[in-house]
Amino acid sequence: GIQVEQSPPDLILQEGANSTLRCNFSDSVNNLQWFHQNPWGQLINLFYIPSGTNQNGRLSATTVATERYSLLYISSSQTTDSGVYFCAPPRAGSARQLTFGSGTQLTVLP
Amino acid sequence: GAVVSQHPSRVICKSGTSVKIECRSLDFQATTMFWYRQFPKQSLMLMATSNEGSKATYEQGVEKDKFLINHASLTLSTLTVTSAHPEDSSFYICSARGGQPGNTIYFGEGSWLTVV
Repeated sequence: GIQVEQSPPDLILQEGANSTLRCNFSDSVNNLQWFHQNPWGQLINLFYIPSGTNQNGRLSATTVATERYSLLYISSSQTTDSGVYFCAPPRAGSARQLTFGSGTQLTVLP
Repeated sequence: GAVVSQHPSRVICKSGTSVKIECRSLDFQATTMFWYRQFPKQSLMLMATSNEGSKATYEQGVEKDKFLINHASLTLSTLTVTSAHPEDSSFYICSARGGQPGNTIYFGEGSWLTVV
């Protein structure tokens, strides 16, 4: 099946700093999603980004499908951005089953 | 927006007993729901795909007799952990996709299971 690698595994930022999270995947994908898991475990869908760039407030995501990677940008980070960020392309042969990467643990310090 | 509700959020049970976790789609019909398991500081692992009106599809290595999944209606799927052991202690999360093609996937709040 598809392999998903995320980097960095851990990231500590001072509030207000910017960051870039990376997701590499081993096979071609026709969609990819980014999720944020808050410290209480709740998963929130951030982006559905099969290709190109999408922005939502301080967050934006870019997927370059031909090169098999996606980036999540967080600008002017806030303490509420803390948590784990997962990218999740679909499993090969299934549009609905997701394969989650190992995640990036982000800690934003006040 | 679409919401998926999971209950209970936390449960403690004794070894050997069974515990049921419910996953409900509150404002849309979900013909398919997904159950994940997450160990501390690890990623989500898909356990099974729950199909309304038919048997669930389990991932390799997941015991179907231990993790019973029932999807009796378009808004409710249940996961029952039978004869629970301490190693079953984990965070269990369900998800469902909204009714229209390409709709966002929504996750439940998750359920922390502790088996003592």
